Amino acid sequence: QSVLTQPPSVSAAPGQKVTISCSGSSSNIGNNYVSWYQQLPGTAPKLLIYDNNKRPSGIPDRFSGSKSGTSATLAITGLQTGDEADFYCAARDSSLSGVVFGGGTKLTVL
Amino acid sequence: QVQLVQSGAEVKKPGASVKVSCKASGYTFTIYYMHWVRQAPGQGLEWMGIINPSGGSAGYAQNFQGRVTMTRDTSTATVYMELSSLRSEDTGVYFCARGRSGTYFTFDIWGQGTMVTVSS
Repeated sequence: QSVLTQPPSVSAAPGQKVTISCSGSSSNIGNNYVSWYQQLPGTAPKLLIYDNNKRPSGIPDRFSGSKSGTSATLAITGLQTGDEADFYCAARDSSLSGVVFGGGTKLTVL
Repeated sequence: QVQLVQSGAEVKKPGASVKVSCKASGYTFTIYYMHWVRQAPGQGLEWMGIINPSGGSAGYAQNFQGRVTMTRDTSTATVYMELSSLRSEDTGVYFCARGRSGTYFTFDIWGQGTMVTVSS
């Protein structure tokens, strides 16, 4: 059971928009930055969003992040088949003195 | 370019220990924290701990306290993760990941992963 809660799967058609939610508590998301990672099949995770809503260089602006209270959301617009992957949210947890992850969300582009 | 290269796959028996290495290149090794993250087969990501390559101090997740040790060798820019008293549930891929400058609990560069199989 993961500390952060994500939907197991989401799907949408190419060109459409999808959102992935991540719910936590005041000890993690509520008082710390959220990051998002994309893991393509058989590869290491890659940083997609940091500090709630910032993109590393090279990440297209089709990917965006937001946070409100103890929840965060990743939005992906203009979906492409190459976006199919598992997505994880993460945040520092002040009570556990470490990092907690969501259980991951599998994105299918129909 | 900035990269983390990990050691190869390991097969261990229950009760044994495993030591995985992660060699950094392309940046100043001592100014970025390093983390270890585990992924069991078909499962999500689990944070194991963090090491400060400058002074060598480390902090571990509660689930791994007493069984994990993280060390570093500044002469070779390499961090190590040793896990002892292995059990079948420790089977999985182990990643090293660099802590981002500033918000060092964000992982901006990842190693390719090391598969550890625990089986009798």
